[in-house]
Amino acid sequence: VQLVESGGGLVQPGGSLRLSCAASGFTFSSYWMSWVRQAPGKGLEWVANIKQGGSEKSYVDSVKGRFTISRDNAKNSLYLDMNSLRAEDTAVYYCARVTAHIGTPGLFDTWGHGTLVTVSS
Amino acid sequence: EIVMTQSPATLSVSPGERATLSCRASQTVSSNLAWYQQKPGQPPRLLIYGASTRATGIPTRFSGSGSGAEFTLTISNLQSDDFAVYYCQQYNNWPPLTFGGGTKVVIK
Repeated sequence: VQLVESGGGLVQPGGSLRLSCAASGFTFSSYWMSWVRQAPGKGLEWVANIKQGGSEKSYVDSVKGRFTISRDNAKNSLYLDMNSLRAEDTAVYYCARVTAHIGTPGLFDTWGHGTLVTVSS
Repeated sequence: EIVMTQSPATLSVSPGERATLSCRASQTVSSNLAWYQQKPGQPPRLLIYGASTRATGIPTRFSGSGSGAEFTLTISNLQSDDFAVYYCQQYNNWPPLTFGGGTKVVIK
């Protein structure tokens, strides 16, 4: 089971970036997937979730209207389109597989190693 | 939004001793509580889910307890590999999924 993120980098405030996550070793289309971020020296913050078929998505309030999560099950890939980026979006962004316990999804059992996004002029 | 509060922020423990970490939710999360371990430069690793069930491959010295709004992670016989930051996370009521601020376990 492996998740590999890519697409991070340095971007100016107000700019855009697309993160990708390549999944392997499991049936990608059977799982909810998430993005979780971690600002330098700070704790973990959940960013967005997407259901198996892509029909249901949810976001933390601070990114609503700016970030879009999507997936391509044929390519075993997860994406995060980030627009109107702000300095406070600077963080390592992790792709995470979501699993359920007694029918309640929402815990992260597999993580990628992350990709760093730096928003700065 | 359910706010998760962890204490203490830093815990100083000698190898071989027991560490007790606390996590409090601002409202009940039933038993839908997970614990993660994170070492520098690495992603988090799932330790405990359902408040008390160890994830695959997690040593028995890690144990979780609690329900409702008060939870504890206990690490018995601390090994050098256990010095890390530990996060709790609720998945009972979302969005948003929320994490605690973390407890850093350091060598005494």
